[in-house]
Amino acid sequence: QVQLMESGGGVVQPGGSLKLSCEPSGFTFSSYGMHWVRQAPGKGLEWVAFIRYDGTNKYYADSVKGRFTISRDNSKSTLFLQMVSLRAEDTAVYYCARQGSGWTYDAFDIWGQGTLVTVSS
Amino acid sequence: DIQMTQSPSSLSASVGDRVTITCRASQSTGSYLNWYQQKPGKAPKLLIYAASSLQTGVPSSFSGSGSGTDFTLTISSLQPEDSATYYCQQTYSTPWTFGQGTKVEIK
Repeated sequence: QVQLMESGGGVVQPGGSLKLSCEPSGFTFSSYGMHWVRQAPGKGLEWVAFIRYDGTNKYYADSVKGRFTISRDNSKSTLFLQMVSLRAEDTAVYYCARQGSGWTYDAFDIWGQGTLVTVSS
Repeated sequence: DIQMTQSPSSLSASVGDRVTITCRASQSTGSYLNWYQQKPGKAPKLLIYAASSLQTGVPSSFSGSGSGTDFTLTISSLQPEDSATYYCQQTYSTPWTFGQGTKVEIK
């Protein structure tokens, strides 16, 4: 069964750090680009970051650039999102998502269940 | 950045109704337009990719059309389980952007 599972969410104070993980199952992780997408409480979806299948290219939303780092370990089949200098506005459910093959026009075809990050004092 | 605008923001329709949601991009995205369904407390689910291709396992009551800047998601016969929020998304260029969502409720 093809799925993704996030972990690492929790409550952190403003200015603090947190590292999220995403573990796949049912597919060859090293063959796919991966994204992080977040959703603030009661709000819509916001794309956060992308990493190419081999880790060579990374892209970030302006709202997190310089504070968040996406990475992956293909030998351990794990995706990461290191978040530092966290702000209240980073409070959200964070989803990892798989970028589909080229014939899907890069749609996000598999999503994890999400992990909640709360930034609060 | 490409801005995605959906309309309406919400709608209420009866079981069996035909429902149409539109999505407009601030510049052309070709056919790089996808639609997702999200139910409360759940992750988004891919419904339509490449503007009009139905994702495996998605009911044929869902269909997508359009190209360039104007796109449409249609539910041909609304069912109770279709109550959800629907998002369009462009994957033509970074940053990948989503519409603000359309909440579909059953009367």
